[in-house]
Amino acid sequence: AQSVTQPDIHITVSEGASLELRCNYSYGATPYLFWYVQSPGQGLQLLLKYFSGDTLVQGIKGFEAEFKRSQSSFNLRKPSVHWSDAAEYFCAGSAQGGSEKLVFGKGTKLTVNP
Amino acid sequence: NAGVTQTPKFRILKIGQSMTLQCTQDMNHNYMYWYRQDPGMGLKLIYYSVGAGITDKGEVPNGYNVSRSTTEDFPLRLELAAPSQTSVYFCASSYTTLNQPQHFGDGTRLSIL
Repeated sequence: AQSVTQPDIHITVSEGASLELRCNYSYGATPYLFWYVQSPGQGLQLLLKYFSGDTLVQGIKGFEAEFKRSQSSFNLRKPSVHWSDAAEYFCAGSAQGGSEKLVFGKGTKLTVNP
Repeated sequence: NAGVTQTPKFRILKIGQSMTLQCTQDMNHNYMYWYRQDPGMGLKLIYYSVGAGITDKGEVPNGYNVSRSTTEDFPLRLELAAPSQTSVYFCASSYTTLNQPQHFGDGTRLSIL
C-alpha cells in the first residue's frame, strides 16, 4: 500500500543547531512529496513540494528537502534552527495523476531548547 | 487574505447531538477537503469535493455528511455525535487536482461528552 512514514515522533534540538526530519515513502513510481508545518492551534502550512526535476528543493523559512530515490526518502533540513521553528511537521505524499489523494505521515514534533 | 475560514473554533457536544462545521474559502478553489486529526495519527481524509455538487468519501467517512452547493462553502455535518468523533477537524482547499498543495483552515476543536 502507498504510505508515508515519519520514523521520529519527537525530536529535540538546541537553538542554532542543524535539523533533519526524516520521511520515507512507499510508492511504485516517483511520487509527489510535500512537507507541511503546523504551529500550535493553527492549520497546516506548506513548506515545500517536490514533483520532479532537481532533487534538492528549497522552501520557505529557510527549509530544504532532498528527494533520494535510492533510499525512498524525502528528508527535511535546516542548517540553523530558531526557537520559532518549534512546531509539528508533516510529510505527505501522493502518486502522480490527478485523481490521487494525499497521504499524510503521523508527524514529528520539534522542540527547540534555548 | 482570508483563505480558508472555519467556524466555530471550539465546540462541546453531548452524545447524540448534531452540528455542522462550517468551511468557506475565498480563493476560487475547485477542490475542498475535510480531515480529522487525532494525536499521533496524522490527518485522515473524511470527505472531499472536486467542485460544486460533487462530493466523495475519503478514508473515514462514517458518521459524517457533506454538501457542496457553492464553490466557496463545504460544510461538514455530524448527525449523531459519538465520543469517537472527538477530534480536531481541518478544512482545506486546492486549486486543481487532489494532489496539489492544499491550503488549510485553522481547525475546529470538537469534544463529544
